[in-house]
Amino acid sequence: KAGVTQTPRYLIKTRGQQVTLSCSPISGHRSVSWYQQTPGQGLQFLFEYFSETQRNKGNFPGRFSGRQFSNSRSEMNVSTLELGDSALYLCASRPGDGGLDTQYFGPGTRLTVL
Amino acid sequence: SQELEQSPQSLIVQEGKNLTINCTSSKTLYGLYWYKQKYGEGLIFLMMLQKGGEEKSHEKITAKLDEKKQQSSLHITASQPSHAGIYLCGAVDSWGKLQFGAGTQVVVTP
Repeated sequence: KAGVTQTPRYLIKTRGQQVTLSCSPISGHRSVSWYQQTPGQGLQFLFEYFSETQRNKGNFPGRFSGRQFSNSRSEMNVSTLELGDSALYLCASRPGDGGLDTQYFGPGTRLTVL
Repeated sequence: SQELEQSPQSLIVQEGKNLTINCTSSKTLYGLYWYKQKYGEGLIFLMMLQKGGEEKSHEKITAKLDEKKQQSSLHITASQPSHAGIYLCGAVDSWGKLQFGAGTQVVVTP
């Protein structure tokens, strides 16, 4: 099976712009989670979607939003970008929404905000 | 929220030597995950421990879960250059969110 794919892999934006990141889960996986990784804060949970519904949300401002489509693909949007949004954004998928299902990660999207 | 503390923060080990990384949780562990990350890349799943006293091995990597101490350890035997990277432990909190420790950077020298 193909792994989790994320596009684009690298992105450069300027402050105030908005950005959309895409994630395709492993075939058959219905749950997609998003994480932000920075040197200062480490790996932080953004949100999780299962069957097109947001199941969990981390402690991030409303500028960060996401959605999931009927084919389980997910997108994450960040509006009004700030310098502090520069990070590696990781997406992970798992088969269901069971608490102990293993999450498999994609390669990430490196976002740089200038 | 669940907090995971990893130690050491980083370590340098000579090729062929053993190393151990610890992960301690502030709350009851319902499941403990170990991942490896090459800098700037995605996380690679290593193993998951669920029951107290459980021990799993994959190639030269062994992980154990001490439920009473709310702690897990990852041990690498006879380290190789391919073992270099950042090791992260993760645990599911009571809300179902996967939380991670800060990571341990491992450098393997010739």
